[in-house]
Amino acid sequence: NAGVTQTPKFQVLKTGQSMTLQCAQDMNHNSMYWYRQDPGMGLRLIYYSASEGTTDKGEVPNGYNVSRLNKREFSLRLESAAPSQTSVYFCASSDDTYTSGANVLTFGAGSRLTVL
Amino acid sequence: AQTVTQSQPEMSVQEAETVTLSCTYDTSESDYYLFWYKQPPSRQMILVIRQEAYKQQNATENRFSVNFQKAAKSFSLKISDSQLGDAAMYFCAYSPLDSNYQLIWGAGTKLIIKP
Repeated sequence: NAGVTQTPKFQVLKTGQSMTLQCAQDMNHNSMYWYRQDPGMGLRLIYYSASEGTTDKGEVPNGYNVSRLNKREFSLRLESAAPSQTSVYFCASSDDTYTSGANVLTFGAGSRLTVL
Repeated sequence: AQTVTQSQPEMSVQEAETVTLSCTYDTSESDYYLFWYKQPPSRQMILVIRQEAYKQQNATENRFSVNFQKAAKSFSLKISDSQLGDAAMYFCAYSPLDSNYQLIWGAGTKLIIKP
């Protein structure tokens, strides 16, 4: 009963390097999300995917790309990492039982990324 | 634009006592959802409680209850009989009625439980 699994948990990159954060959920949820969390701020949505094959920009998409590989997996890619992308990244999914804002998000444990 | 404000960056409470975390929000909508999420040191965010704005009754979940004041746009979380396991960051969030993708989050309140 894993829920939402993110890898890696920690990563240090140099400016300009690329990397992909992986996320998988085993709850058969349609919607998946990538958020970033910075000190003193609430979570900010980077990208989301309402269903397999669709992705949409959130509040802070610049510098990121995503892929909804299948219903289970939603990856986040940093093509050329910058120090401003140092953050904790969270993947989440939601059960769309309600076709409204009532849906509860299930989160992964987060990935701490440091860009030097 | 909607905003969510948590004015208390940090709160502390003695074990077994009651603590209230505040949250205010701004919206021009009449129907929406409000949430409290808990983020323990393990970092994994979990739902504490959810409130539907069109329901007058305050939501409760065991030791957790909310004081929802719609006119004042206030949504505070009360934790009764605080336990060491309640130590965490608590985030208030607002969602429009018709979208999962526009959650607005507060900056969080760190709750410290003193044994």
